[in-house]
Amino acid sequence: KNQVEQSPQSLIILEGKNCTLQCNYTVSPFSNLRWYKQDTGRGPVSLTIMTFSENTKSNGRYTATLDADTKQSSLHITASQLSDSASYICVVSASDAGKSTFGDGTTLTVKP
Amino acid sequence: GAVVSQHPSWVICKSGTSVKIECRSLDFQATTMFWYRQFPKQSLMLMATSNEGSKATYEQGVEKDKFLINHASLTLSTLTVTSAHPEDSSFYICSGMREFYNEQFFGPGTRLTVL
Repeated sequence: KNQVEQSPQSLIILEGKNCTLQCNYTVSPFSNLRWYKQDTGRGPVSLTIMTFSENTKSNGRYTATLDADTKQSSLHITASQLSDSASYICVVSASDAGKSTFGDGTTLTVKP
Repeated sequence: GAVVSQHPSWVICKSGTSVKIECRSLDFQATTMFWYRQFPKQSLMLMATSNEGSKATYEQGVEKDKFLINHASLTLSTLTVTSAHPEDSSFYICSGMREFYNEQFFGPGTRLTVL
């Protein structure tokens, strides 16, 4: 069964600090892995998308890594800002199916 | 990036009435569209998958007669909540998948409140 597990479930950090969110998956055959940011009451917004051959991708202060061998991904947020407070969702797609498998998300709270 | 819009952004209705939510892909053709429901502090729950011109495929436990989905064109899908009840109150989000890509683009969501 395809699964995506994210950790931690929630995280509180101080403004300006860095943090790393984890995503482990068992989706097969792998097509791509995407990280989304979802603000409360809004739809998810894409941060990064990585295919099998990519092991790192950046989008401003967000850097995602992918280890396809261990089936792990991380999202690193640098110099956090109050506006980074949101839920971060890891989504993995299989190449032989039209659906994606969603993680439960990590809720990040950035405090001043 | 690809943009998906939803209308309305929020709606309040009386119990027993029907509500239609529109999902449009503004700058790409979405061969597949997905409808999700999200309760407070919970993750997105896939309700159904629709392909243009064909019947939607519903997830287990989702009543297809209650949640009517129409994907009439490559840029428009609609979700109609029929005979809505307070327990249908939720945040409904659609997403479109761009043809030949395996990437989803989400709409901003519709907040439904049934009184």
